[in-house]
Amino acid sequence: ELKVEQNPLFLSMQEGKNYTIYCNYSTTSDRLYWYRQDPGKSLESLFVLLSNGAVKQEGRLMASLDTKARLSTLHITAAVHDLSATYFCAVAKAGGTSYGKLTFGQGTILTVHP
Amino acid sequence: SAVISQKPSRDICQRGTSLTIQCQVDSQVTMMFWYRQQPGQSLTLIATANQGSEATYESGFVIDKFPISRPNLTFSTLTVSNMSPEDSSIYLCSVHPFLGHETQYFGPGTRLLVL
Repeated sequence: ELKVEQNPLFLSMQEGKNYTIYCNYSTTSDRLYWYRQDPGKSLESLFVLLSNGAVKQEGRLMASLDTKARLSTLHITAAVHDLSATYFCAVAKAGGTSYGKLTFGQGTILTVHP
Repeated sequence: SAVISQKPSRDICQRGTSLTIQCQVDSQVTMMFWYRQQPGQSLTLIATANQGSEATYESGFVIDKFPISRPNLTFSTLTVSNMSPEDSSIYLCSVHPFLGHETQYFGPGTRLLVL
C-alpha cells in the first residue's frame, strides 16, 4: 500500500523567511504532484515532477524530486502572506493501471505572518 | 488544460436520502476520478469512472453506496446513497486528460452536509 507522509503538518512562517516542506512516499512512483488549496476552494496544481532530480520553480516556490530517497521537497523562499494556504503532495503509483490514481499526503497548513 | 464544473456546489441533505453530483468537463478526457475530502482531512480516491463500463472502486468504497456513471468522455455522476452524517464531506471530480499529459485537474468540489 502506497503511503505518503508530509511534514511539517503545520507551519507558521514569518514574512521574508525561507522554509521547506517534505513529502516522503513508500513505493515506486510515476509522478509526484504538489497542489495548493485555499480555504473553501478546490485544488490548484503547482508542480508535476516526473523524474529523478527534477526541479521546478514558480515564483517563490521550488519543488524537487529524489526518487531514490522517495522524497520530494517544496521550498519556499522569502515567504509572503499570499502564500498562506494548505499544500498537498500527491503521488501516483508506478504502472499503467494506477495512472491518475493519486495518494495524498496529510497536507501542510502554511500561515505566513508579518 | 481542462475546465471542470460540478453541480451542485453545495447541499444540505437529510440522513437516509441520496444525492447525485454531476461533473462536466469542457473537453474530452481519458480518465475521470472521484475523490472525497472529509472535514479538515486530506483527499481519498473513491473510484475511477470508466466510460461505458462499471466504475473501479478503491478499498473501502462500494458501488451500492457510491454508484457512478460515465456515459461519455466529458461527463460523470457520483451518487451518495442512503446518506449519514459521516458522509458529510467535499466530493471532488478529477480528470487526467490523456496518457502522457502531465497535469491532473480537480473540479471545484461539492460540499455536502448531512443532518
